[in-house]
Amino acid sequence: EDQVTQSPEALRLQEGESSSLNCSYTVSGLRGLFWYRQDPGKGPEFLFTLYSAGEEKEKERLKATLTKKESFLHITAPKPEDSATYLCAVQARWYGGSQGNLIFGKGTKLSVKP
Amino acid sequence: NAGVTQTPKFQVLKTGQSMTLQCAQDMNHNSMYWYRQDPGMGLRLIYYSASEGTTDKGEVPNGYNVSRLNKREFSLRLESAAPSQTSVYFCASSDTGLANEKLFFGSGTQLSVL
Repeated sequence: EDQVTQSPEALRLQEGESSSLNCSYTVSGLRGLFWYRQDPGKGPEFLFTLYSAGEEKEKERLKATLTKKESFLHITAPKPEDSATYLCAVQARWYGGSQGNLIFGKGTKLSVKP
Repeated sequence: NAGVTQTPKFQVLKTGQSMTLQCAQDMNHNSMYWYRQDPGMGLRLIYYSASEGTTDKGEVPNGYNVSRLNKREFSLRLESAAPSQTSVYFCASSDTGLANEKLFFGSGTQLSVL
């Protein structure tokens, strides 16, 4: 069964204190791994898609990396505005029939204090 | 810059009542989706529509029906609401017909069933 596990569930950082969020997955053939950011009371907002082990993508203070079993979201020198819940999702390869839909993890709630 | 618009934002129902959640997107996307988000759980797919005129069940379709009214609109109906359907519902859309990467989400509908 395809699964996505995110850790930690919650993370509190001081402004400027770098850290990483983890997303481990089991899937029968990975088509893509996705990171989303969700602010309270809002829908998730797309951040990155990673397709193959060794791939990295960056956006401002965020960098996402991918191995064959997990992905990391590295946050460098975070600011209070980076506080949000970060969601990881995987899409399995599919063959014919219905499209492969995203399987979401439960998320990591990040709080950055000034 | 409307993107994906959901109505209503909040709704309280009594057990057994029916209601329809509305969703519209103005990005000319082919695919649309309905998710639910419960505390301590990841986003779960209820139904999706890969293209106008088609709908398919997702992970948790029981108790729901959908209608893809046209390319822009995708509604979710609860025929006889149950307390287990208390949740936050998100509508999403994506451009590609066969892959749901880079989903664009609405701001959600918070539904309580008493």
